[in-house]
Amino acid sequence: GESVGLHLPTLSVQEGDNSIINCAYSNSASDYFIWYKQESGKGPQFIIDIRSNMDKRQGQRVTVLLNKTVKHLSLQIAATQPGDSAVYFCAESWHGNKLVFGAGTILRVKS
Amino acid sequence: DGGITQSPKYLFRKEGQNVTLSCEQNLNHDAMYWYRQDPGQGLRLIYYSQIVNDFQKGDIAEGYSVSREKKESFPLTVTSAQKNPTAFYLCASSIGLDSYEQYFGPGTRLTVT
Repeated sequence: GESVGLHLPTLSVQEGDNSIINCAYSNSASDYFIWYKQESGKGPQFIIDIRSNMDKRQGQRVTVLLNKTVKHLSLQIAATQPGDSAVYFCAESWHGNKLVFGAGTILRVKS
Repeated sequence: DGGITQSPKYLFRKEGQNVTLSCEQNLNHDAMYWYRQDPGQGLRLIYYSQIVNDFQKGDIAEGYSVSREKKESFPLTVTSAQKNPTAFYLCASSIGLDSYEQYFGPGTRLTVT
């Protein structure tokens, strides 16, 4: 899930398949992580969050996994639907500081 | 209906003009933020405010100004000193600075020619 200049990484999945979107975070002291979904021309929407004392958290059709050893965060979307097509980005925070956002990954769902 | 509103959705200005973007929230949140989003990049923090009549510079404050005269409102002015003002601007709010989750408005796309 690292951005490369102006070109966001893109994940294409077939409708009904599971999607896994990855994020490498920068600060080993980060204790809070959040995933947002952003549809074209709209503001980001909260999906799920996780604190550093957990390694997994589940929501409705989504699961976030945290691997602090390698500073890696992933978002799993089960049974991906066309409405899931969007840019997904993670953000991290530490000790109550402001969120720091990644550039994002484009998810394209093929029908 | 609680939420954050930004207006207008699209804004066009000539180079050299100042322009003010509106952000209003009725979530009773203390903290508010302004971000800039450029293609292929993450959100970059311009200014933030923890309480009324107080605000702090973010990472890219040069060429921007804000005010926080009311809890509900946090307008952003893009001045003529901002060298590359064309971008998508997002306003957000949270319960407090130490409350992590931020709620975002729908954004304003500013085009300066």
